[in-house]
Amino acid sequence: DTAVSQTPKYLVTQMGNDKSIKCEQNLGHDTMYWYKQDSKKFLKIMFSYNNKELIINETVPNRFSPKSPDKAHLNLHINSLELGDSAVYFCASSARLAGGRLKTGELFFGEGSRLTVL
Amino acid sequence: AQSVTQPDIHITVSEGASLELRCNYSYGATPYLFWYVQSPGQGLQLLLKYFSGDTLVQGIKGFEAEFKRSQSSFNLRKPSVHWSDAAEYFCAVAGSNGAGANNLFFGTGTRLTVIP
Repeated sequence: DTAVSQTPKYLVTQMGNDKSIKCEQNLGHDTMYWYKQDSKKFLKIMFSYNNKELIINETVPNRFSPKSPDKAHLNLHINSLELGDSAVYFCASSARLAGGRLKTGELFFGEGSRLTVL
Repeated sequence: AQSVTQPDIHITVSEGASLELRCNYSYGATPYLFWYVQSPGQGLQLLLKYFSGDTLVQGIKGFEAEFKRSQSSFNLRKPSVHWSDAAEYFCAVAGSNGAGANNLFFGTGTRLTVIP
């Protein structure tokens, strides 16, 4: 059983297209994240949702829109793809204590979705 | 704001040798500190974490890390490296209160190569 699963694992598309990456976790966690890892392996948070509510929205272009239909799912939709969007996108989840602290400090990551924009 | 520096981009060690990966952080209060490992083609996995208390923390796979407040460091160590330890290692910091606790700031990673 995969704890955090992302689809697709690989995505190759043309500039200007719209694409989505889906993420599901079966850990019962209430917080989910999207991270972007660039070609230099730098990992940066994009979004975080807690119980379907957006709690972190870093300086990400508004072409990126996360959607959380329920607390087990967090999808990422990207409009008008650009060359610079090429990266590996990681979904992650964690549990929290009341008050917002990470419960254990442990994020569970998916295997990543490698997006290549041509 | 929090930040993490991993000064070594790439380290090569022989199998069986000891290992130390460096991590320096910047944070005004007591940080939460983490080490994650990323094997090729995989997501990140938590190795160990420091919240408070004993400054030497033990993790999985025989790794340990020591928090040194005076040096703003949280270096990762392993006494004897195995070939399967070859991977990318990321140090991360989270704020211990308020909005800072809501996400992790990662360093740029250190790639470990293990030679037979």
